[in-house]
Amino acid sequence: NAGVTQTPKFRVLKTGQSMTLLCAQDMNHEYMYWYRQDPGMGLRLIHYSVGEGTTAKGEVPDGYNVSRLKKQNFLLGLESAAPSQTSVYFCASSYSPQGYEQYFGPGTRLTVT
Amino acid sequence: TQLLEQSPQFLSIQEGENLTVYCNSSSVFSSLQWYRQEPGEGPVLLVTVVTGGEVKKLKRLTFQFGDARKDSSLHITAAQTGDTGLYLCAGGSYRYNFNKFYFGSGTKLNVKP
Repeated sequence: NAGVTQTPKFRVLKTGQSMTLLCAQDMNHEYMYWYRQDPGMGLRLIHYSVGEGTTAKGEVPDGYNVSRLKKQNFLLGLESAAPSQTSVYFCASSYSPQGYEQYFGPGTRLTVT
Repeated sequence: TQLLEQSPQFLSIQEGENLTVYCNSSSVFSSLQWYRQEPGEGPVLLVTVVTGGEVKKLKRLTFQFGDARKDSSLHITAAQTGDTGLYLCAGGSYRYNFNKFYFGSGTKLNVKP
C-alpha cells in the first residue's frame, strides 16, 4: 500500500518552461489537494478536487492548472514557470469533504531559475 | 498575513522537559488539526479536534481546542528526541460542503539528548 506518491521528487526549471507534477493515491479517496510550502508561510492550498473530473481553486491558484481525469491521479501543471513558483509542492488526499484525515505525499522540490 | 499564528517559531529543549506550543487566530474554525513534519517528508496528521474546549491525548501529547474555536495548544510531556520535527496546525473552514484548511507556519522543535 503506497498511499500518496508524487513524481518527480526534484526538478529544476528555467523561467518560462512548463512542467507537470503527478500525484497518485491508491486509497480510493474522492478528495485531492495540491499545496505549496514556502519558508515562514506554512502550506497554502493551490487547487483541489472533490471527485473525478471536478477541480476548484484554492488560496493561490494563479500560474497553475490542474486536471483529475482519473480518480487516483491529480496533476498540477505550470504552463510558464516563474522564480516565484520555486517551492516544495505537496499533494494530499482524503476520503471525506471534512478532510479530517488528509494523507500527504513526500513532496516535490521545484526550483525555477 | 497568516490566518493562523504559531508560537514559538523555534524551540530547543533537553530530553525529559515539558513544552507547550500555541496556535492562535482571530478567526473561528470548524476544526483544528495538528501535524508533525520531518525534513524531506510530507506532514503526518497527529490529531483533529472539532468541538470548542475539546481535549485529546495521544500518549505524551495533549491537544486542546479553545472554547471559542479560535486557538489551540499542543503540550508534550517528557519530550524525547523522536519528538523532534516541525509541528503545524491547520484550521478548517467548512463551506459549500467542503473543508478548506489554512496552515500556520509551524513550530520547529529540537529535542536534545
